[in-house]
Amino acid sequence: QKEVEQDPGPLSVPEGAIVSLNCTYSNSAFQYFMWYRQYSRKGPELLMYTYSSGNKEDGRFTAQVDKSSKYISLFIRDSQPSDSATYLCATYNFNKFYFGSGTKLNVKP
Amino acid sequence: DAGVIQSPRHEVTEMGQEVTLRCKPISGHNSLFWYRQTMMRGLELLIYFNNNVPIDDSGMPEDRFSAKMPNASFSTLKIQPSEPRDSAVYFCASRRDSYNSPLHFGNGTRLTVT
Repeated sequence: QKEVEQDPGPLSVPEGAIVSLNCTYSNSAFQYFMWYRQYSRKGPELLMYTYSSGNKEDGRFTAQVDKSSKYISLFIRDSQPSDSATYLCATYNFNKFYFGSGTKLNVKP
Repeated sequence: DAGVIQSPRHEVTEMGQEVTLRCKPISGHNSLFWYRQTMMRGLELLIYFNNNVPIDDSGMPEDRFSAKMPNASFSTLKIQPSEPRDSAVYFCASRRDSYNSPLHFGNGTRLTVT
């Protein structure tokens, strides 16, 4: 079993929709969770990070961690065409990072 | 902050040739990582260094792959000899060695081996 599992999509939504991106992880020791956004032909860039359980909000983005079910989510409100990218969830332990395979999102104008 | 700088951005080479990828981490970051990304396998960690010392190279696929970090501001990943199955995007990333410090990625080197 991979440490982090993510639905690869692709996910296609109309502009303005609420987007939900999800991952599961296997090791309950993980406490630090990240979402990276990767545009085509670019490196992943950090979008949000959270520590332990709960929600973290940054503008139109909300990251949510449910440690009881080992489930992490990223919500995008009022999605824009500029949000079209691949989103990777990640966690880490002892300087080793574990990435999901990425979900490709397309927001249609 | 210049970010992580990788060169070249694109490399096309013939099977059997030596390929060298270069990375300059963010100043002050003491951990450096080399990843490979493909559609089939996603992001795979090849090797990571801490304070210029290789800590975990278990992801290096074969002896054809080698990596060095001669100082805190420079690292290389070498493939010799290259094979078509090495075609991928290779990313370098760095971070400061603290518990809540994220990875910062470069924009990658797209390698094509024909």
